[in-house]
Amino acid sequence: EIVLTQSPGSLSLSPGERATLSCRASQSVSISYLAWYQQKPGQAPRLLIYGASSRATGIPDRFSGSGSGTDFTLTISRLEPEDFAVYYCQQYGQQSGNPPYTFGQGTKLEIK
Amino acid sequence: EVQLVDSGGGLVQPGGSLRLSCSASGFIFSNYWMTWVRQAPGTGLEWVATINGDGSDTFYVNSMKGRFTISRDNAKNSLYLQMNSLRAEDTAMYYCAREYWGTFDIWGQGTMVTVSS
Repeated sequence: EIVLTQSPGSLSLSPGERATLSCRASQSVSISYLAWYQQKPGQAPRLLIYGASSRATGIPDRFSGSGSGTDFTLTISRLEPEDFAVYYCQQYGQQSGNPPYTFGQGTKLEIK
Repeated sequence: EVQLVDSGGGLVQPGGSLRLSCSASGFIFSNYWMTWVRQAPGTGLEWVATINGDGSDTFYVNSMKGRFTISRDNAKNSLYLQMNSLRAEDTAMYYCAREYWGTFDIWGQGTMVTVSS
């Protein structure tokens, strides 16, 4: 099973600052199958980034994804008040006997 | 508008059963694999099960294999999750999601399942 480890677990920043969130995989992940989601309290997750670096429909360009192999990054260039939420990375990979989809444990982005 | 609406959650006793439903609209349902993802209170996301477009192939997380059954009715644009032998640790918000190239691009609003005596 591919384990995704996100860091930091929580991050306190102010609006206007830059946020850098990390997702590290226990094995190499195809960049085609690495995604990032945002979840606000009481809401379902929302797809932000797919294919490691492509923004989903309607996602502002202050959100960007990068990385390959085992190390991936979500960057929010200038934080807006509505960006404070929990962020999850997720991968898909066909491995015999293992779940094809796994999520990281999340990074909570808090207002400082 | 592309939309998924989850329903069927509630309070059930340990050992009991529950059937969740997800109603899809705004897209050709049979063209997409569909998935259930759950989230226990205060925790992260956990993939539960996935079904392919025509319902001929299903995939489960090992801990739920044999207890949970995912199915679909493409004529009704609906996805289901039959949950049997429920345990306290199955208490969670259950979301249906549309799968597209290994990611989940559309999510339902979730339906809460509480397993407690």
